Amino acid sequence: QVQLQESGPGLVKPSETLSLTCAVSGYSISSGYFWGWIRQPPGEGLEWIGTIYHTGSTYYNPSLKSRVTMSVDTSKNQFSLKLYSVTAADTAVYYCARRPRDYSFDNWGQGTLVTVSS
Amino acid sequence: QSALTQPASVSGSPGQSITMSCTGTSSDVGSHNLVSWYQQHPGKAPKFMIYEVGKRPSGVSNRFSGSKSGNTASLTISGLQAEDEADYYCCSYAGTTLVFGGGTKLTVL
Repeated sequence: QVQLQESGPGLVKPSETLSLTCAVSGYSISSGYFWGWIRQPPGEGLEWIGTIYHTGSTYYNPSLKSRVTMSVDTSKNQFSLKLYSVTAADTAVYYCARRPRDYSFDNWGQGTLVTVSS
Repeated sequence: QSALTQPASVSGSPGQSITMSCTGTSSDVGSHNLVSWYQQHPGKAPKFMIYEVGKRPSGVSNRFSGSKSGNTASLTISGLQAEDEADYYCCSYAGTTLVFGGGTKLTVL
């Protein structure tokens, strides 16, 4: 059974870079599937951030594209998110998830709260 | 890209059926049968409920069903139970991107 676990700093200062990693167990990233990041500001809805394939191909939300980079490390079976120049509006629970070819998200991490504050 | 439109709230009594909508455009919901639905209880990660408009993953109750007409997808829950009270989100393919709805809070009266 595939499991995903987000990790990274829970507090980031404004204008700095948010960095998160998603460790995948129970499934090899190299075997296929796409992998994604979704966030949820407190009390608000879900927002798709981006998706990456094991080859490194990436697809980003146009509203965040200028500030986002995703990468994959198949040797560690994990993928990562970097969000640059953060502001308070980037405060959210960040989820990583597996994305099959049907464009759903069939397995999710538990989520990690990232607060942007000085 | 704009978020898909979902009603803010719906409610129903135990045993009843409810349907919630998810309205997009011909560029997302209407373009392909690639709409999925997620259930989220407070403080929990979303749970995968429906994919490709009306298909249920293994383990999801057959009380949950999905459909689509034009640019609007719908989630129907029959035989409402107290544990169905949660937020529900739709998500659609939109070209090389994905877009979520704003979410619907289901209250079981």
